[in-house]
Amino acid sequence: DAGVIQSPRHEVTEMGQEVTLRCKPISGHNSLFWYRQTMMRGLELLIYFNNNVPIDDSGMPEDRFSAKMPNASFSTLKIQPSEPRDSAVYFCASRGGGTNEKLFFGSGTQLSVL
Amino acid sequence: DQQVKQNSPSLSVQEGRISILNCDYTNSMFDYFLWYKKYPAEGPTFLISISSIKDKNEDGRFTVFLNKSAKHLSLHIVPSQPGDSAVYFCAASGNSNTGKLIFGQGTTLQVKP
Repeated sequence: DAGVIQSPRHEVTEMGQEVTLRCKPISGHNSLFWYRQTMMRGLELLIYFNNNVPIDDSGMPEDRFSAKMPNASFSTLKIQPSEPRDSAVYFCASRGGGTNEKLFFGSGTQLSVL
Repeated sequence: DQQVKQNSPSLSVQEGRISILNCDYTNSMFDYFLWYKKYPAEGPTFLISISSIKDKNEDGRFTVFLNKSAKHLSLHIVPSQPGDSAVYFCAASGNSNTGKLIFGQGTTLQVKP
């Protein structure tokens, strides 16, 4: 099992540019989560999907952020336009359908917006 | 409005001694708690969990204690090893079916040889 795969590992962009982060969950997992890690707030949940449907996007900071899950094996998190305060590590995680199943995280995307 | 708080950003202990990491929560609806460990340039990995019907869960060198009345949990590592040096995140869930976890800010543990 390859685990949760995220790309790119690092992204450096200029303010105002569009950024797209990608995630491939573990095969067979039916829930997918996007988290953002910052020093001040730790790991913040941005949005999560169940069976490809967005369930809770209350953590998405602004309309500049959007996420999609077109199928069970792929999700994107897009920031348009990006701002320096968006600089953080973005993690994707997936989970099977059982009770109290744990989350499996990808290695993250380190985003730097200059 | 941080529902899960880890008030100690860092902790340093000597190899072989006990490490105690603390976590407080505010939402009484949380019924499942977890600890994740994170090494640099890697994603968090699951370490240990506890249900609200228990007050202790042990797995080898790792023990998690839950005090529901105080809304407090702690992770004990005995004995601490240099390989335990990492960031530890506390997490809580209020709905076991959704898997939605609320994480704290993390505590960086350094175990000195």
